Amino acid sequence: QKEVEQNSGPLSVPEGAIASLNCTYSDRGSQSFFWYRQYSGKSPELIMFIYSNGDKEDGRFTAQLNKASQYVSLLIRDSQPSDSATYLCAAATGNQFYFGTGTSLTVIP
Amino acid sequence: GAVVSQHPSWVICKSGTSVKIECRSLDFQATTMFWYRQFPKQSLMLMATSNEGSKATYEQGVEKDKFLINHASLTLSTLTVTSAHPEDSSFYICSARQGVYQPQHFGDGTRLSIL
Repeated sequence: QKEVEQNSGPLSVPEGAIASLNCTYSDRGSQSFFWYRQYSGKSPELIMFIYSNGDKEDGRFTAQLNKASQYVSLLIRDSQPSDSATYLCAAATGNQFYFGTGTSLTVIP
Repeated sequence: GAVVSQHPSWVICKSGTSVKIECRSLDFQATTMFWYRQFPKQSLMLMATSNEGSKATYEQGVEKDKFLINHASLTLSTLTVTSAHPEDSSFYICSARQGVYQPQHFGDGTRLSIL
């Protein structure tokens, strides 16, 4: 079982819609969780991080964490074509840092 | 804040050459640095993790004698690809982390092409 699992997609949403990206993790000792965006041919960039159960909002992005269900999600409101990228979920457990394989998102104009 | 500088961005060289890639954290001290490799349309593959002043920990299947990692200070790590061959051509990305449970911050990556 992988430490962090994501649906590889591709996920397609129309412009202006809400994109929902999901991630599960296996280690209950994980304490911090991250979402990265990676455009094709570029390196990943940090979008958000979350440590506590509940929601964390930053602009059009909302990260949601449910430790009981070992579930992390990222919502992108008012999706734009520029949001088309691969989204990587990551979890940190002590010195270990685990990435999912990423979900490809396409926002259709 | 949290800027990681990686250079060079591109390297094209002949087979058998050794190539050094530098990774610097510009505005924070990085207790841990990571080196990844990524082939087109594939996931990030962790190669090694290094802590300042310690030997790097390599992932299974990564040849430590071929991919030499030095983490000499809290702001600098280098990856040297020794005697590079065409199969080593890839996108190499470094990242740095300030502490446990902190996010990794990535450099812009180095595209390595071995002819």
